[in-house]
Amino acid sequence: DTGVSQNPRHKITKRGQNVTFRCDPISEHNRLYWYRQTLGQGPEFLTYFQNEAQLEKSRLLSDRFSAERPKGSFSTLEIQRTEQGDSAMYLCASSLAGLGGGGTEAFFGQGTRLTVV
Amino acid sequence: GEDVEQSLFLSVREGDSSVINCTYTDSSSTYLYWYKQEPGAGLQLLTYIFSNMDMKQDQRLTVLLNKKDKHLSLRIADTQTGDSAIYFCAEPMEYGNKLVFGAGTILRVKS
Repeated sequence: DTGVSQNPRHKITKRGQNVTFRCDPISEHNRLYWYRQTLGQGPEFLTYFQNEAQLEKSRLLSDRFSAERPKGSFSTLEIQRTEQGDSAMYLCASSLAGLGGGGTEAFFGQGTRLTVV
Repeated sequence: GEDVEQSLFLSVREGDSSVINCTYTDSSSTYLYWYKQEPGAGLQLLTYIFSNMDMKQDQRLTVLLNKKDKHLSLRIADTQTGDSAIYFCAEPMEYGNKLVFGAGTILRVKS
């Protein structure tokens, strides 16, 4: 397994367009997380999945954002009607189980850098 | 609150030791993590420490944990130019359902 994979690595889009990002987690990992990182900040939690179930969504995840993990494997994050404030690095991570309990480590992908012009 | 705090910038000379500090919020955190991020890249898990430990050593990395003060530090011995990056500490919150990160410490290593 080559780790967590994210596509595309970079995306430039015009304001108002929809974009979709994909994350392929480490194959045996049940948990999948999405984070957003803006310049000079640490990653901020957006949402997470336990298998195919989306169990928590941050207040940061407005109605324009939707995430899915249909078969409990890969996940997609869609942003509708993009705004300039959506420009950020979107990071995906996976872990074997909940952090701090049975699962000890979360592994991150290389991220998708979104630029909205 | 959920504020994990770190010093913002550290500059050291190649071969010196670097110490990056962090204060966290949740005294019940079972694990605490250090991640490294190089320019334009994702986060790489460097090391983590279990909360019943005071210290963990892994090659050039030493993690110290002071639970009373909720203080975590990462020491890098013999710092190399390849260690230049942003370092994040993180703690699990809400029963391990998410990680909360500090803003990151920029480490610059001068040759």
